[in-house]
Amino acid sequence: KNEVEQSPQNLTAQEGEFITINCSYSVGISALHWLQQHPGGGIVSLFMLSSGKKKHGRLIATINIQEKHSSLHITASHPRDSAVYICAVLNYTSYGKLTFGQGTILTVHP
Amino acid sequence: DAGITQSPRYKITETGRQVTLMCHQTWSHSYMFWYRQDLGHGLRLIYYSAAADITDKGEVPDGYVVSRSKTENFPLTLESATRSQTSVYFCASSGKQGFYQPQHFGDGTRLSIL
Repeated sequence: KNEVEQSPQNLTAQEGEFITINCSYSVGISALHWLQQHPGGGIVSLFMLSSGKKKHGRLIATINIQEKHSSLHITASHPRDSAVYICAVLNYTSYGKLTFGQGTILTVHP
Repeated sequence: DAGITQSPRYKITETGRQVTLMCHQTWSHSYMFWYRQDLGHGLRLIYYSAAADITDKGEVPDGYVVSRSKTENFPLTLESATRSQTSVYFCASSGKQGFYQPQHFGDGTRLSIL
């Protein structure tokens, strides 16, 4: 079993819909990252969080340390949100090394 | 411009050849990382460095060599390229003062080994 599991693997939505991507992990962590990768493109860090909730524009990330679970929400989705979203965790003993989920492929249709 | 840059962006080579991928960052970040990204495996750590002259293996280090003589540069060398090393390679850096900070990724190098 992978240390970091994301769901769903693929997600299709219509423009304007509210989207949720989930990430569960099995190790003790000091921080969790959400990353975005557009097709053929580089990787951008969206959030790094260790507790609670963070918001940036239409994106919201939450984490529940006790349940070892994080969610990434996109409100009022837009076709430009189409990308791969990757969850990655920094565990206590990893000295800066991230462990990545497999990614969620999001497609938003106009 | 400030940032993290990788070169080349695309590279085609033959099995057995030596290939070096370059990574340069202008933030004076302490930590630098090399990842490979493959379908079905996601991102996997090859090597990382906590500071100049300090490097350590990641999850998939076999067949790769790194060095870090200067803080800003972290080249990755494939000593004798194999087809299984065909992949997209990403360099990243973080943390002037530690690794509890977001990692900043380069644009990637798409490497094909024939």
